[in-house]
Amino acid sequence: RKEVEQDPGPFNVPEGATVAFNCTYSNSASQSFFWYRQDCRKEPKLLMSVYSSGNEDGRFTAQLNRASQYISLLIRDSKLSDSATYLCVVKNYGGSQGNLIFGKGTKLSVKP
Amino acid sequence: DTGVSQDPRHKITKRGQNVTFRCDPISEHNRLYWYRQTLGQGPEFLTYFQNEAQLEKSRLLSDRFSAERPKGSFSTLEIQRTEQGDSAMYLCASQRGGMIADTQYFGPGTRLTVL
Repeated sequence: RKEVEQDPGPFNVPEGATVAFNCTYSNSASQSFFWYRQDCRKEPKLLMSVYSSGNEDGRFTAQLNRASQYISLLIRDSKLSDSATYLCVVKNYGGSQGNLIFGKGTKLSVKP
Repeated sequence: DTGVSQDPRHKITKRGQNVTFRCDPISEHNRLYWYRQTLGQGPEFLTYFQNEAQLEKSRLLSDRFSAERPKGSFSTLEIQRTEQGDSAMYLCASQRGGMIADTQYFGPGTRLTVL
């Protein structure tokens, strides 16, 4: 079982739609959580960190449920420019690591 | 542009050849990570440095792979006797320190194709 699992996608939605991505992680000791965005053939870029209390950045809302080991990302009023692959990421700390552990990503296509 | 640069951006090589990639992190960032990403997958951790010390290697890093960060600034990743399975995007990430909240900033990657 992969340490980080995401909805397989792809998600094809019209402009203005609300779309939700889900992610589960298997290591209960995971300490930091993120959503990264990756455009085709580009590097991953940090979209937002995810906190236990939930956090919002404009049209994007991220939530974390530590008990269920579940992370979500909600995109409201989706734009054409939101088309990308969204990567769910956890960071574990044990010893001196801190490397990021990525899910496979969920591809989002926003259509006019 | 995150401030992390990688060179070359693309490399095509024949099976059995050696290749070397370079990463220049953000100035004064003391952590540097290497990841590999194959098609349809998320990036996978290869190794990381704290200043010039290589502190962790994943099982993905076979003995054909070697990485260095000689002066704690830029890093190189060398693959010897390349195989077709080495074809991937090699990503470098820079992080200021070792705090949980520190963000990793990725370079544009080096796309390797082994023929």
